[in-house]
Amino acid sequence: QITLKESGPTLVKPTQTLTLTCTFSGFSLSTSGVGVGWIRQPPGKALEWLALIYWDDDKRYSPSLKSRLTITKDTSKNQVVLTMTNMDPVDTATYYCAHRGQVGYCSSTSCLTVLYNWFDPWGQGTLVTVSS
Amino acid sequence: EIVMTQSPATLSVSPGERATLSCRASQSVSSNLAWYQQKPGQAPRLLIYGASTRATGIPARFSGSGSGTEFTLTISSLQSEDFAVYYCQQYNNWPPVTFGGGTKVEIK
Repeated sequence: QITLKESGPTLVKPTQTLTLTCTFSGFSLSTSGVGVGWIRQPPGKALEWLALIYWDDDKRYSPSLKSRLTITKDTSKNQVVLTMTNMDPVDTATYYCAHRGQVGYCSSTSCLTVLYNWFDPWGQGTLVTVSS
Repeated sequence: EIVMTQSPATLSVSPGERATLSCRASQSVSSNLAWYQQKPGQAPRLLIYGASTRATGIPARFSGSGSGTEFTLTISSLQSEDFAVYYCQQYNNWPPVTFGGGTKVEIK
């Protein structure tokens, strides 16, 4: 069973750097194809994808936020860390981490796991408020 | 960036009735589309991927269809636990993956 849980500060001041940690179990970030993403959701608004890190340390960022984001992994601790610099009140949101989607396909002789860029499952989320 | 547009924003439906939700992409995303359900205070839950494949454990009353730029999520007979917000997400052209603005399904 795959589980993920986000942790970090609930309140940050404008201009500060936010550091969030995603601690997961049920999979390894050293397995080929595996990835963990971050998605956020301002109160009452839609979802916004932020970043994704792959098992081989390849990283992808939202173009609109790329200059402010850094995603890293610690495979030995089963953790993924997201940092966002220069926080602003508009960054107030629930931040989720999520496992990159995977589907198993089996024939009569073998099975193959294919990974996709949808997300399943998600962590419970952590609300971060940006205010002075 | 591909823009995903969902309609309607709010759908009022009586329990037992059929609900049809739409998602439109600003350019073709082939069948690389997922649907999620989100209840208040909860994380999104994957319902559909590949435009039409139900995720593990998702009831058969949920079905997805479409390809290219037009997609539909249908809930054949709404149960009380289905009242929630539904989001579509494309993963064909990225980064970024992009989500729609959501459709809230409420009790009529």
